[in-house]
Amino acid sequence: EVQLVESGGGLVQPGGSLRLSCAASGFTFSNYWMSWVRQAPGKGLEWVANIRQDGSEKFYVDSVKGRFTISRDNAMNSLYLQMNSLRAEDTALYYCARRLLHTYGLDVWGQGTTVTVSS
Amino acid sequence: SYELTQPPSVSVSPGQTVSITCSGDKLGDRYACWYQQKPGQSPVLVIYQDTKRPSGIPERFSGSNSGNTATLTISGTQAMDEADYYCQAWDSSADVVFGGGTKLTVL
Repeated sequence: EVQLVESGGGLVQPGGSLRLSCAASGFTFSNYWMSWVRQAPGKGLEWVANIRQDGSEKFYVDSVKGRFTISRDNAMNSLYLQMNSLRAEDTALYYCARRLLHTYGLDVWGQGTTVTVSS
Repeated sequence: SYELTQPPSVSVSPGQTVSITCSGDKLGDRYACWYQQKPGQSPVLVIYQDTKRPSGIPERFSGSNSGNTATLTISGTQAMDEADYYCQAWDSSADVVFGGGTKLTVL
């Protein structure tokens, strides 16, 4: 079964850091672009970051540039999101998602992990 | 930054056809996708590359994208289709945007 399982969320103070993980199974992880997408409570979806299969290209939404870093370990079938200098507006459910091969669209999503930034 | 605009809500009677629009500058030059999200669940891809359906998505879901508007059409709408729908546009891997979402109510 193709599956993505996020972990690492929690409560953190403004200015703090958190590292999210996403464990992939049931497919050849190293063949796929991967993404992080977030959803603030009661709000819509927001794309956060993309990473190429080999990690050589990484892209971010403007609001997280310089604060968040996407990375991956293909040997461990894992995707990561290092979040620094967290702000209240980063509070959200964070999903990892797999991009379709050879085209655009996110066809597999995890269940999400919740990040709350509050003092 | 690029923006996509969706109507906040749309309603339809069971068995009828409903269209949900997504507007953006020259959206037809980008690849459009659509996601369905039910309460408490993760999003599900229902349309990609403007018109294509992933395996397992019913044929009643269809898409189009031209000019400044992408459209998701659900024919013969069923109660189970009640959900939030989000469009997404890809100009490249570096430029990805979601619309604000549309709540579909099946009356």
